[in-house]
Amino acid sequence: DQQVKQNSPSLSVQEGRISILNCDYTNSMFDYFLWYKKYPAEGPTFLISISSIKDKNEDGRFTVFLNKSAKHLSLHIVPSQPGDSAVYFCAASATGNQFYFGTGTSLTVIP
Amino acid sequence: EAQVTQNPRYLITVTGKKLTVTCSQNMNHEYMSWYRQDPGLGLRQIYYSMNVEVTDKGDVPEGYKVSRKEKRNFPLILESPSPNQTSLYFCASSYGLGFTTFFGQGTRLTVV
Repeated sequence: DQQVKQNSPSLSVQEGRISILNCDYTNSMFDYFLWYKKYPAEGPTFLISISSIKDKNEDGRFTVFLNKSAKHLSLHIVPSQPGDSAVYFCAASATGNQFYFGTGTSLTVIP
Repeated sequence: EAQVTQNPRYLITVTGKKLTVTCSQNMNHEYMSWYRQDPGLGLRQIYYSMNVEVTDKGDVPEGYKVSRKEKRNFPLILESPSPNQTSLYFCASSYGLGFTTFFGQGTRLTVV
């Protein structure tokens, strides 16, 4: 059973606008969350993370929001750029050793 | 250059023929892990290792073995591959939780 879910397989956004990627999880023991970006024919690259003691973490154009009561996190990209077009995976961990990934959301930023 | 190197990048093999996918990192990372990526299932963790001689099962360990005899290497072994192990495999490493995880470029394995 998928413990981390990304219910939107794809998302299209105009360049310059905000991209919001969503992720839901079922395991209340998860206390560390990460977002990865993946281009075709490459391995995932780490983007941003957040621990459960925070509800927001920001790094440049990327902000991750965590809503523990809803078991929901989101990644905001502002402003979106064509180079942001990729597949985005969220991941969660309870132990710091074992990680559970979502199925990914393919983001297309339209110039 | 900091990197995680997997070999081979592409492999087609037959059912039952033992194979090893190698993974090497040059960052002195303690934590290493293997994942498989399948359509509609995302990335699923196969095995991970916290340090030399310390390995543990991830979410989908059946049919796989790993070893961690040295810090830099973490090979994935398929003793008797089956077609359901056809997948895209990624090796990853990091210093640990809270540190950036680096992924290899992937190994596309086809078992016929």
